[in-house]
Amino acid sequence: DSGVTQTPKHLITATGQRVTLRCSPRSGDLSVYWYQQSLDQGLQFLIQYYNGEERAKGNILERFSAQQFPDLHSELNLSSLELGDSALYFCASSVLGTGANVLTFGAGSRLTVL
Amino acid sequence: DAKTTQPPSMDCAEGRAANLPCNHSTISGNEYVYWYRQIHSQGPQYIIHGLKNNETNEMASLIITEDRKSSTLILPHATLRDTAVYYCIVRNSWGKLQFGAGTQVVVTP
Repeated sequence: DSGVTQTPKHLITATGQRVTLRCSPRSGDLSVYWYQQSLDQGLQFLIQYYNGEERAKGNILERFSAQQFPDLHSELNLSSLELGDSALYFCASSVLGTGANVLTFGAGSRLTVL
Repeated sequence: DAKTTQPPSMDCAEGRAANLPCNHSTISGNEYVYWYRQIHSQGPQYIIHGLKNNETNEMASLIITEDRKSSTLILPHATLRDTAVYYCIVRNSWGKLQFGAGTQVVVTP
């Protein structure tokens, strides 16, 4: 157990629907990162939050949004889902600002869009 | 953040050392070298990192050349459980952790 908790582990939904993925960071970590891994692509960085504020953005679609709450958990919202959104979504957390900034990853949420 | 070059795949015999090379010729002075691995569909797992000096922990050793343009990850006694994709990433403390294609390592009995 890495200490980063992601829910749900598996999710099956239909095109056009909206889903929310949740991430609880390791205790003490202030920064949360979201990554997408689909079959035909590697791990793609989506977005990073630090202590509630968006810090960096990657290849995140406009249909996707995220936020980090005061208790530091984060949610990734995926809307108007398409077949191509089927992927593993990983959350990671780190302390940030303390030198090397090592990320700890969760086990992922597997999204299947039918 | 600097880019890295890794061989796409390599095989290693169980019990032998696995030496994974990584080139990062455009690395900047404040960028660390990180190694992560991903065992099939699991979350990436941190292995080790370094800035200038060689590093060792319970999982692996990291050898960084004096000019910092390349590094080698050493798994001293590879086991079947070490079969994974290994990622070499360079970034500074505040940069995005961007994964490339990595090296698929297969440990064979």
